[in-house]
Amino acid sequence: NAGVTQTPKFRILKIGQSMTLQCAQDMNHNYMYWYRQDPGMGLKLIYYSVGAGITDKGEVPNGYNVSRSTTEDFPLRLELAAPSQTSVYFCASSYGTGSSYEQYFGPGTRLTVT
Amino acid sequence: GNSVTQMEGPVTLSEEAFLTINCTYTATGYPSLFWYVQYPGEGLQLLLKATKADDKGSNKGFEATYRKETTSFHLEKGSVQVSDSAVYFCALSIPYNTDKLIFGTGTRLQVFP
Repeated sequence: NAGVTQTPKFRILKIGQSMTLQCAQDMNHNYMYWYRQDPGMGLKLIYYSVGAGITDKGEVPNGYNVSRSTTEDFPLRLELAAPSQTSVYFCASSYGTGSSYEQYFGPGTRLTVT
Repeated sequence: GNSVTQMEGPVTLSEEAFLTINCTYTATGYPSLFWYVQYPGEGLQLLLKATKADDKGSNKGFEATYRKETTSFHLEKGSVQVSDSAVYFCALSIPYNTDKLIFGTGTRLQVFP
């Protein structure tokens, strides 16, 4: 049971390039989330999904897109990278919502845009 | 709106010292409260939680009590170890409001032998 996995661990992009951050979970969780963590700041929710085929915006969705074609995978797409997107990105999943359901986090992807 | 405020770090302690990390919140409704821990190079892990006023969450020697009257959820540990060095995040969720987590800025704890 690998939990939540993310690839790549590190990436450097040039301004205007595109990339996809991969996230997968093997716990059969319905809910998945993408957060970004900026230095000295808490985590901010980018997008979330309540099941395959259903996604919704979080607090900071601009510049990102997501899709959820399967229960297991929840990729995050950056179309035109900007320096403001330099951050650490965390994917998380949970079986349900509510305080009874813990969110499980992946190890993160550190992205630098120059 | 809903928000979480944590004391700024880093908090630097010697091994076996007493730890307190302050956390206060602002929320509509009746939030659930959480402490997450992030060890170096890893993702966040749930440390403990409390879902209603006066509940005490505890795990691995850490404790926090949900205080509605002071809107606080301070993290405490009686005797810290070097292995407790990490970043600690206080968070809340509003039940039945999509339950998304709202995080504080995190507090770095450094414990020296």
